[in-house]
Amino acid sequence: EPEVTQTPSHQVTQMGQEVILRCVPISNHLYFYWYRQILGQKVEFLVSFYNNEISEKSEIFDDQFSVERPDGSNFTLKIRSTKLEDSAMYFCASSESVGFTSYEQYFGPGTRLTVT
Amino acid sequence: AQKVTQAQTEISVVEKEDVTLDCVYETRDTTYYLFWYKQPPSGELVFLIRRNSFDEQNEISGRYSWNFQKSTSSFNFTITASQVVDSAVYFCALSHSNSGYALNFGKGTSLLVTP
Repeated sequence: EPEVTQTPSHQVTQMGQEVILRCVPISNHLYFYWYRQILGQKVEFLVSFYNNEISEKSEIFDDQFSVERPDGSNFTLKIRSTKLEDSAMYFCASSESVGFTSYEQYFGPGTRLTVT
Repeated sequence: AQKVTQAQTEISVVEKEDVTLDCVYETRDTTYYLFWYKQPPSGELVFLIRRNSFDEQNEISGRYSWNFQKSTSSFNFTITASQVVDSAVYFCALSHSNSGYALNFGKGTSLLVTP
């Protein structure tokens, strides 16, 4: 069964460093998302991406964050200068379409980012 | 504004008991989508069900059932004859087109099923 994959599974970085989290969405999916979950808290939306551009972003997704689809398979989240409060599990998700036809978002296993 | 409330933070049941997880939502949109996801101790998010706002039909899938009631803005999830493997955090989520279909999650209900 197709699945969303994410690398690395765990990333440790020092405050102020740049990190890139990578995701490979399900191959026929067209909509891509990033969410984060601070330990013990709820899952929070960061950004959605469609047709090579951001379609929606939350207040969390400030200028320190960027997303890119550098090729036909990868979808990346970059944090330019990490802060301690960026420590969280980052989930990538993808969906085939939106609306009522086929809209389930399937999540990857997550990347645990630890900023020291 | 949209909001999802899962008032039950933690629930503990003994195996084979039935358990209902509550979800109450708020939205001004007439078209919206409701979801349940399961997060087992391993941490991944597993999709369980999606419901469209115009489809109030309840659904049963094995031991799982969902009760969607627009009149009370609720989308409750019942596990019948719970098993230890059901132990997880369960999240209810809401989305609509005005937010780019981003999932707005509740805080989750942690379910512990003991033998």
